[in-house]
Amino acid sequence: AQRVTQPEKLLSVFKGAPVELKCNYSYSGSPELFWYVQYSRQRLQLLLRHISRESIKGFTADLNKGETSFHLKKPFAQEEDSAMYYCALSPYNTDKLIFGTGTRLQVFP
Amino acid sequence: DGGITQSPKYLFRKEGQNVTLSCEQNLNHDAMYWYRQDPGQGLRLIYYSQIVNDFQKGDIAEGYSVSREKKESFPLTVTSAQKNPTAFYLCASSISGRSQPQHFGDGTRLSIL
Repeated sequence: AQRVTQPEKLLSVFKGAPVELKCNYSYSGSPELFWYVQYSRQRLQLLLRHISRESIKGFTADLNKGETSFHLKKPFAQEEDSAMYYCALSPYNTDKLIFGTGTRLQVFP
Repeated sequence: DGGITQSPKYLFRKEGQNVTLSCEQNLNHDAMYWYRQDPGQGLRLIYYSQIVNDFQKGDIAEGYSVSREKKESFPLTVTSAQKNPTAFYLCASSISGRSQPQHFGDGTRLSIL
């Protein structure tokens, strides 16, 4: 079965602390993985995708096929990082996305 | 101003009534999607369309119907067969292709009277 699991509903950290939002997937083929973010009162938007191997707003995510994970990391959290984060997987030969249940990140001053 | 417009923002449905949620995009995207968002369940795909006059069921299509007569429009009808329609509905669009990002609207919140 194709599935994305985000085990933490809520992650709370203090400003300047490292952040890791966990994402595990279940997929038999070669996955395309994404992180989407929704800031307060804003639309859901793409944060980064594994194929681009980019760092956006200081966040990075590495695909680990052995552990079937795509964890989102940032070395020093900022208050403006507080948001809802969704991990998503795109199955082969389709445009659709399978989303995880999301993790709310709270960064305290 | 390019983007996705969903209307209305809030919608109320009576028992046994069908309601239609509007989604329009001016991004010239081929693909469009409807998701349902419930607390603690993330986004679940209802229907998607990769091209005009064609659409496919997602994971939770029962009780919903869609049409794709125009490239820019992808309305969703919540029928009376949908027994638990109270939710937040999100529409999205993208360029065709597996790695293309989806662009989302502001959503419509549907409630039962």
